[in-house]
Amino acid sequence: AAGVIQSPRHLIKEKRETATLKCYPIPRHDTVYWYQQGPGQDPQFLISFYEKMQSDKGSIPDRFSAQQFSDYHSELNMSSLELGDSALYFCASSLNSILNEQFFGPGTRLTVL
Amino acid sequence: AQKVTQAQTEISVVEKEDVTLDCVYETRDTTYYLFWYKQPPSGELVFLIRRNSFDEQNEISGRYSWNFQKSTSSFNFTITASQVVDSAVYFCALSEGVEYGNKLVFGAGTILRVKS
Repeated sequence: AAGVIQSPRHLIKEKRETATLKCYPIPRHDTVYWYQQGPGQDPQFLISFYEKMQSDKGSIPDRFSAQQFSDYHSELNMSSLELGDSALYFCASSLNSILNEQFFGPGTRLTVL
Repeated sequence: AQKVTQAQTEISVVEKEDVTLDCVYETRDTTYYLFWYKQPPSGELVFLIRRNSFDEQNEISGRYSWNFQKSTSSFNFTITASQVVDSAVYFCALSEGVEYGNKLVFGAGTILRVKS
């Protein structure tokens, strides 16, 4: 069965650079969630989208923005990167009618030097 | 407010021992979902189980079992006859209803080390 795809899987950036993370949900899933997991931390909710509209927002820095496109894939844009942005970024998708079943992608490991 | 507490930071056991991971939650909703995820060293989040607030039936799946008790707001997870491959970080998570965005709130995680 198709799973959630995230790209790239690993990303190394310098401070003050920008990064774009991509998420391709499971086919027919209309809801996407982004989570950030710092080293030794639990995943923290950043933002979610349903039918291309932002549906909820968590502790996402103003330097970050995200959107969901017409094909339901989502991109998380991160600017002015800081050392503290180094983390594992997970995307999860779900079908709105079964909202509480989120399927996680493998994650993108971002390292900021 | 939503909150998940995993009081055990790290547990070490010897192979074949049974181990129980504790999870206590707080929620403002009467309808909610509880989850357990496993995160091996490779980093991916592996879904183990989901329980809704109306289903207190405990479950056994192979070496895994879960004990959900609404009266104590607990959702504990037991591994029977642990194996080295069970070594991972285990997260308990809570999701409330649609009006609260359906996001997952995770506990801090419990590191399980199984030694041979």
